[in-house]
Formats: sequence, C-alpha cells, structure tokens
Amino acid sequence: RKEVEQDPGPFNVPEGATVAFNCTYSNSASQSFFWYRQDCRKEPKLLMSVYSSGNEDGRFTAQLNRASQYISLLIRDSKLSDSATYLCVVTLSGGYNKLIFGAGTRLAVHP
Amino acid sequence: DAGVIQSPRHEVTEMGQEVTLRCKPISGHNSLFWYRQTMMRGLELLIYFNNNVPIDDSGMPEDRFSAKMPNASFSTLKIQPSEPRDSAVYFCASSTPWGVNNEQFFGPGTRLTVL
Repeated sequence: RKEVEQDPGPFNVPEGATVAFNCTYSNSASQSFFWYRQDCRKEPKLLMSVYSSGNEDGRFTAQLNRASQYISLLIRDSKLSDSATYLCVVTLSGGYNKLIFGAGTRLAVHP
Repeated sequence: DAGVIQSPRHEVTEMGQEVTLRCKPISGHNSLFWYRQTMMRGLELLIYFNNNVPIDDSGMPEDRFSAKMPNASFSTLKIQPSEPRDSAVYFCASSTPWGVNNEQFFGPGTRLTVL
C-alpha cells in the first residue's frame, strides 16, 4: 500500500465550478500535511499547509481528519489558471522535514 | 533571490555514460534534498543533506548513484554508469534549518534521458 494515495484524475471542470480532491495516508504517525501544486513540466510549489482545524486561503480550503487519516482540498470558483497537478504531502513525526508525496491529482479547468 | 538553481536543464546521454547534475540551493538554506520524478513512481526522495552532511540516503537506488555537498552553496548528483531506467526529472530542493513545517523550495529540475 502506498504511503499517500490520491485519485489521479483527471478532473475536468468548467470555470467557476467547485472541485474537491481527497487524499489518504497510511502512517498514523504522520505529523504535518501539505498540498503542493505542480504545473506541467515545472517544479512542485507549496500551495498550502493543512491544519487540524482546517484552513482557508482565498478560494482554497484544506481539511484534515486525523482519525480517518484523510486530507482534502476544496477549490471554489475554479479558474483556468488552477489547471495543474495537486500533490498531497505528509511528513512523519520524529524526523526531519522529509516530504512523502502522493502521485498527484490532475485538474483541468476549461472555459 | 534567484531560487534554487539546477544545471543542466536537459541532459541526453547514452547508456553507460557518466552523468553529473548540479544544484545551488537558496542562500541561507542549510537543508538540501535531491528528488527523482517518474510517471511510474512519482516524486521520490533520493538523499537529504543537512549542513552539507548526508543525513538520509536511503532513497538512493543503488551504488551507481552518488551525491556530494562540498559546501553550503553547491551539490552534485552523479550517476555512473547511467542506464535507460534512470531517465526521469531530477529535482533539487532546499529549506531553512530543521523544522517539520519548513517549506521546501524546488529548483526547475533536470530532465534526464538515457538512450
């Protein structure tokens, strides 16, 4: 079983739509959680951290459910520029800042 | 700041040749990571340096791979001899000192093709 699992998609949505991505992680000792964004043929970049209480950054909302070992990302009012691959990322407790990446979920927003 | 710098951006070589990838981390960052990304395996950590010292090389696939960090501003990843299955995008990333929530900043990557 992969340490971090995501639906690869692609999710094809029209502009203005709301779309949600889910991610599950296998190690209950996971400590920190993130969503990274990767544009085609580019490097990954941090989109947002995910906190236990849930957090929002503009049109983006991230949620964490430690009991279910589940992370989500909600994008409201999708823009064409949101088209990218979204990587779910966790780190383990007791260690250094080692990122464990999911395979990513591809989002395509169309006019 | 210029961000993490990697060179070359693209490398095409023949099986058996030596390949050297280079990375310059962001100034002031003392953690450096080498990753490999393929369609089949996604993003995998190869090796992690802290203050120029290799801390975790458990992701290095085999003895053909080696990495060095002679100083705080330069690191290399070497593959010798290269094989077609080494074809991938290799990313270098850096972050500020030890901390689980410290963002890692990735370089643009080196796209390696081994024929």
